[in-house]
Amino acid sequence: QVQLQESGPRLLKPSQTLSLTCTVSGGSINNNNYYWNWIRQPAGKGLEWIGRIYFSGSIIYNPSLESRVSISVDTSKNQFSLRLTSVTAADTAVYYCARVNVGAGKNNWFDPWGQGTLVTVSS
Amino acid sequence: QSVLTQPPSVSGAPGQRVTISCTGSSSNTGAGYDVHWYQQLPGTAPKLLIYTNTNRPSGVPDRFSGSKSGTSASLTITGLQADDEADYYCQSYDTLLRGWVFGGGTKLTVL
Repeated sequence: QVQLQESGPRLLKPSQTLSLTCTVSGGSINNNNYYWNWIRQPAGKGLEWIGRIYFSGSIIYNPSLESRVSISVDTSKNQFSLRLTSVTAADTAVYYCARVNVGAGKNNWFDPWGQGTLVTVSS
Repeated sequence: QSVLTQPPSVSGAPGQRVTISCTGSSSNTGAGYDVHWYQQLPGTAPKLLIYTNTNRPSGVPDRFSGSKSGTSASLTITGLQADDEADYYCQSYDTLLRGWVFGGGTKLTVL
């Protein structure tokens, strides 16, 4: 079964750029059945969808983050990545990657999820 | 302020039944978009619990059930067990925000 694993620096200073990678194992990211997503969760708070990418490179971002976020895919490494520029303390959160099945269109759900990685922004 | 509204907490004794509500608006659940539910055990990633309003993935006990009517959806847990203690989140799509949205989460305490 497919598994997702986040990786990347865990401590950033304000104004730096957050860069995370999600490695997909047990299945190919080069698959027209799935979207690959980033979601975050500040400590003690709810979940926020960041954006999603298709293997072809088609991307949609959460409008609230669109000016600072970019998502890319590397099919040769079976990975997709997140970049978030000009981070502040408000970007401190657990960042998850998750898969969505294309089939249900906008009625999609997230499954499975990676285990998540805590990124802290502090001076 | 989450787009989908959930009660911050619910509680129940072992063996009892609890229901968690998820209320949206005309741009998401009221527009006919489906609701999905996730269970997040302490210190772990969310796990899909109910999809497309009423369906359970393989391995999810039938003690968990979902429903949706109009702008609201509900997750019901019967025969409460201690290891049901977790945070529960609902999720849908919002046409105004042009993306997937979540509820603020409900903390279930098993007394």
